[in-house]
Amino acid sequence: NAGVTQTPKFQVLKTGQSMTLQCAQDMNHNSMYWYRQDPGMGLRLIYYSASEGTTDKGEVPNGYNVSRLNKREFSLRLESAAPSQTSVYFCASSPVTSGRYNEQFFGPGTRLTVL
Amino acid sequence: QKEVEQDPGPLSVPEGAIVSLNCTYSNSAFQYFMWYRQYSRKGPELLMYTYSSGNKEDGRFTAQVDKSSKYISLFIRDSQPSDSATYLCAIKGTSYGKLTFGQGTILTVHP
Repeated sequence: NAGVTQTPKFQVLKTGQSMTLQCAQDMNHNSMYWYRQDPGMGLRLIYYSASEGTTDKGEVPNGYNVSRLNKREFSLRLESAAPSQTSVYFCASSPVTSGRYNEQFFGPGTRLTVL
Repeated sequence: QKEVEQDPGPLSVPEGAIVSLNCTYSNSAFQYFMWYRQYSRKGPELLMYTYSSGNKEDGRFTAQVDKSSKYISLFIRDSQPSDSATYLCAIKGTSYGKLTFGQGTILTVHP
């Protein structure tokens, strides 16, 4: 099992360009998440998908859109990149559980620089 | 006020030292408490979790929760250079699946 995979690993964009970050998991998890990680800020939730067909905003959704393509795949799109979106982006997934700690499994991350 | 506060460090200790990492939180509805470890340029991995006040031990690691003080800690005994990483506390409340993370503490254990 590959777990959670993310592409690309690195990306440099110019201000105003668009791009899509791809994420896939092979653990048959229902829930998937997108986070960004900035120095001194920890992990901040951008969007999440509790199950296939649903998406919800997290803490910092502005400037992003998401698509839950199917149970395995959850993509994050930047329509018009800004320097403030320079960050490391992590995708995560978790199984359907209620009343439990609901461990999240993380991908290796995408390092994005917006010039 | 952030929901979860964590001292970002950095923390540098000699091999064999006891390390204490701490977080405070503000929402008493939080139910589950986790520690993730993140090596450089990798994704976080779950290290320990607990859901009640008290201590939970796993080898050299002990997670401690004090719900009355809204305070969680991770202790590392006999620290090793391989423990050098960023440690993130994470807390789950009543919202489905969502975790709130602390800022992370960068730990370096030098030989």
